[in-house]
Amino acid sequence: ETGVTQTPRHLVMGMTNKKSLKCEQHLGHNAMYWYKQSAKKPLELMFVYSLEERVENNSVPSRFSPECPNSSHLFLHLHTLQPEDSALYLCASSHSGSYNEQFFGPGTRLTVL
Amino acid sequence: GEDVEQSLFLSVREGDSSVINCTYTDSSSTYLYWYKQEPGAGLQLLTYIFSNMDMKQDQRLTVLLNKKDKHLSLRIADTQTGDSAIYFCAESPLSGGYQKVTFGTGTKLQVIP
Repeated sequence: ETGVTQTPRHLVMGMTNKKSLKCEQHLGHNAMYWYKQSAKKPLELMFVYSLEERVENNSVPSRFSPECPNSSHLFLHLHTLQPEDSALYLCASSHSGSYNEQFFGPGTRLTVL
Repeated sequence: GEDVEQSLFLSVREGDSSVINCTYTDSSSTYLYWYKQEPGAGLQLLTYIFSNMDMKQDQRLTVLLNKKDKHLSLRIADTQTGDSAIYFCAESPLSGGYQKVTFGTGTKLQVIP
């Protein structure tokens, strides 16, 4: 596997379910990001981990819980979601530094019923 | 806060030039980017420009920056059907740590054969 991978690619869940999204990067990066992509809205930065420490939490509801056990893996734990949380969730990674390209995974298409 | 705006949709004929426009509000923006998202995929960096530049050319792509008006554009010469995708404008400040990037809504480019 190369680049940034995300699993699952598609997820349908009920409002009472608990599920997790997984992201893995094989690029040796030390910063990882979760974004939410909704139609006709700007890409929203949700969480940032730099050197395995959470450095950004953009007023995301507590029903979204990130976890970064090491520099290669990032999870987004989901519980009691709402239908408006249906979106494409993108993971990205980069090197920390003044400029570094972010590399994105293909995303998980989440549908909350 | 920072804001990046771009139109949602652009349609061009194959072989014509495409121009995708973007405006941003953060005067401390240091890096400005264009990312491309093909169907079913994550975002991929196309090109970026440093804020002390006003133009950058890379094969069929030309980026123009008007820092006074906070206006960024991407011109694609000889547009091909394979250029059909969503194009995201983005900006970030100079940072020694992780990269906080603000994205626009994306402009969906449709290329008509």
